[in-house]
Amino acid sequence: SAVISQKPSRDICQRGTSLTIQCQVDSQVTMMFWYRQQPGQSLTLIATANQGSEATYESGFVIDKFPISRPNLTFSTLTVSNMSPEDSSIYLCSARDRDSYEQYFGPGTRLTVT
Amino acid sequence: ELKVEQNPLFLSMQEGKNYTIYCNYSTTSDRLYWYRQDPGKSLESLFVLLSNGAVKQEGRLMASLDTKARLSTLHITAAVHDLSATYFCAAPGNTGKLIFGQGTTLQVKP
Repeated sequence: SAVISQKPSRDICQRGTSLTIQCQVDSQVTMMFWYRQQPGQSLTLIATANQGSEATYESGFVIDKFPISRPNLTFSTLTVSNMSPEDSSIYLCSARDRDSYEQYFGPGTRLTVT
Repeated sequence: ELKVEQNPLFLSMQEGKNYTIYCNYSTTSDRLYWYRQDPGKSLESLFVLLSNGAVKQEGRLMASLDTKARLSTLHITAAVHDLSATYFCAAPGNTGKLIFGQGTTLQVKP
């Protein structure tokens, strides 16, 4: 199984600033994803982080707002840019095990924008 | 576009009772995932159902998959307070990304 860590675990940020969230997996994985979970809601996929190429964004999410990097098979970053209070949410990194169908989730980053 | 729907969205039940959570999905999929989330925590994988007719059990939870009906169920047997949590099902869309249902919040009362 894969163990995923995220940094920071939480942050309080001012409107207009940016925050970069790091995701580290303890083994090589074929796919990495970024999700957002607003309070009391389900998970919404932001994008698939592709190793060595641009991320694939879901409808309603754009690269300028949520730039993503994935330099190798174990690490990815998500930046939330020019934040507004509507970006307050939990951001979750997820990874698909390369040898099975299991998909794991990191502990999440709780972001509050004031 | 794949849509995943759960019902009920909220379930309050007494300890010792049985109940079932339903998960419907809109397009063909050969697998289905169930997760548990405790308040303020991340998601814990419960089951991955990989084929039609698959049934998996862990303790008081049993999950099944009917790909022809595009339906999965999570059955709770003799509920206990420790099972109180939110349960999500998810199905893979194109390119393998997981699309989640709305979640079912289960509250087990003593």
